[in-house]
Parts: sequence; C-alpha cells; structure tokens
Amino acid sequence: DTGVSQNPRHKITKRGQNVTFRCDPISEHNRLYWYRQTLGQGPEFLTYFQNEAQLEKSRLLSDRFSAERPKGSFSTLEIQRTEQGDSAMYLCASSPGQGAWDEQFFGPGTRLTVL
Amino acid sequence: AQSVTQLGSHVSVSEGALVLLRCNYSSSVPPYLFWYVQYPNQGLQLLLKYTTGATLVKGINGFEAEFKKSETSFHLTKPSAHMSDAAEYFCAVATGFQKLVFGTGTRLLVSP
Repeated sequence: DTGVSQNPRHKITKRGQNVTFRCDPISEHNRLYWYRQTLGQGPEFLTYFQNEAQLEKSRLLSDRFSAERPKGSFSTLEIQRTEQGDSAMYLCASSPGQGAWDEQFFGPGTRLTVL
Repeated sequence: AQSVTQLGSHVSVSEGALVLLRCNYSSSVPPYLFWYVQYPNQGLQLLLKYTTGATLVKGINGFEAEFKKSETSFHLTKPSAHMSDAAEYFCAVATGFQKLVFGTGTRLLVSP
C-alpha cells in the first residue's frame, strides 16, 4: 500500500494559464474525491467519482474546472484560465467503495500558486 | 445542510497536559463524525470516527472523542499531550454522496 499520490506537489503559474494535476489513488479503491483547501480553512469538497463516473460536483467547481477519471484509476483535475483566487492546496482522497461510507485516505496535496 | 464548528483556531497546552479540542455539529439526520489530523506538508490522517453504536470513540495516538447528541458535540481529548501532537486538527461530518464537510481547523501547539 503506497498511499494516495499527487503530482506535482507544487505548481506556480501565471494568471490565465491552464494547469493540470494528477491523483493516483490506492490500488483497487473505487471512490476518488477532490477537495480544495485555502489558507486558514478546512478542505472543501469539489467532486467525487465512483469508478469512472463523476457522481457529484460542488458549485465551487466553476466552468473553468474539469475533472476526469477515464479508466476508473488515476484522476486529473484541470483548471483553465487560472485566477489568483484559485491559489490553494488541492487534495485528493480515495476510499475502497464499500458500504454507505468508508474511510477516505488523503494524498499530500498539490499546492497551486497563481501569480 | 450539515456543518461543523470548531471553537478556537489555536489551542496551546504544555507537554503532559490535557488536550481538549471542541467541535459542534449541525445535522438534520444522524451524523457520521470524524476527526482528522494534518501535519505540515502531509495529507490528512483519520484519527477516529463515529458512525453508530458506542458514543465514546477511541482513536490512534491516544485520542478519543465522545458523541453527545444532546449537546450536538464531538469534542476531541487526550489525557496527556506529547510534543509530537502539535499539528492541525479538523472535525468533519459526512453528508450524503460520500462528501465530508470540514470545520475550519484548530492548530494545537505543545510547549515543553
């Protein structure tokens, strides 16, 4: 069990650029989640996948944000035309997908800085 | 909507002292409640959870929490603080569709 991995760990970009983050969940975990954490706040839910199906999206996820999990394994989160307000830590989590609720295991996060 | 409120953005204790981190929840249905810990540059780690059954829940690293429905509280305690407990602690409630709603966090500072 290597845990949830996220790449890159840090990303600095200029306003208006597009960025893409990758999350590799724990092997055989069916559920995958994205959260965003800004300074001084707790993580906020963005979206959730059951296998390759995206089952819920927060209204925080504007049209500039898109997430995919094409084969039910790794996931990508893309932000188009980045804004300074997008600066945050983006956290990925995965869970086995058994039962009504199961433990979510978090990755170390990708810290995005938009200049 | 379900939510949690953590009282105190910072809590300072001396090594060996009691740790008490407060969390109150709001939920229209029986809640699933959690405490997570976050060390610098690391992901969140689950300390303990309450789903159903016993209201006193024991977690890792000597932490425990008690679900009190009458007070809508789920406070986190540890009898004796250790320097390694210094971290940020988040209370969370699970809503439908698997998502967690987190509080704003409490940073625990432990002094020698």
